[in-house]
Amino acid sequence: QVTLRESGPALVKPTQTLTLTCTFSGFSLITSRMSVSWIRQPPGKALEWLALIDWDDDKYYSTSLKTRLTISKDTSKNQVVLTMTNVAPVDTATFYCARSSSNSFHFDFWGQGTLVTVST
Amino acid sequence: NFMLTQPHSVSESPGKTVTISCTGSRGSIASNYVHWYQQRPGSAPTTVIYKDDQRPSGVPDRFSGSIDSSSNSASLTISGLKTEDEADYYCQSYDSGNHGVFGGGTKLTVL
Repeated sequence: QVTLRESGPALVKPTQTLTLTCTFSGFSLITSRMSVSWIRQPPGKALEWLALIDWDDDKYYSTSLKTRLTISKDTSKNQVVLTMTNVAPVDTATFYCARSSSNSFHFDFWGQGTLVTVST
Repeated sequence: NFMLTQPHSVSESPGKTVTISCTGSRGSIASNYVHWYQQRPGSAPTTVIYKDDQRPSGVPDRFSGSIDSSSNSASLTISGLKTEDEADYYCQSYDSGNHGVFGGGTKLTVL
């Protein structure tokens, strides 16, 4: 079955770079022609789409955050990595990775999420 | 930037029908698929409607989705409300640049 799992630090300090890893199983990005996105949700607030990487390595970023985000994939490890530079307390959120098909942008499978707190 | 606007909250009694709207800021909301997610506290979102009006297996037929081009909006309708339907609901689509977009979420209270 399809599963995704986020991993990374629970606490980062302001100005540091946050690196999150999404490890997935049950499908192949390339043979399934799927995409993986990162989505975040600050406590008590709405979902916010951050970035997407396609099976063919095309990458798309949130317009407001694109200067701080980098998304990459390691197909051999079934992993997608997101880095966010220069974090601040307002970046405190639960970060999700989710799978979507390239023709619908429907997030059909999600990870359970990982809470990242930015604080000194 | 393309945006989706939802009511902050809605409430209705058990057994009744409620409709949650999702209005696109520009262009035609019908140009790209709209999906709807249910999120309960402490859990990841799950799909209740995808591709405008498709229901995943396991989602009751009390949930339905539609698009109204005249108002540039999508709607999620839940009939025969149950207390278990109480949750946050998000619409989601994307723009021509392949950027994902979520609505601000609607808190459904069933009382």
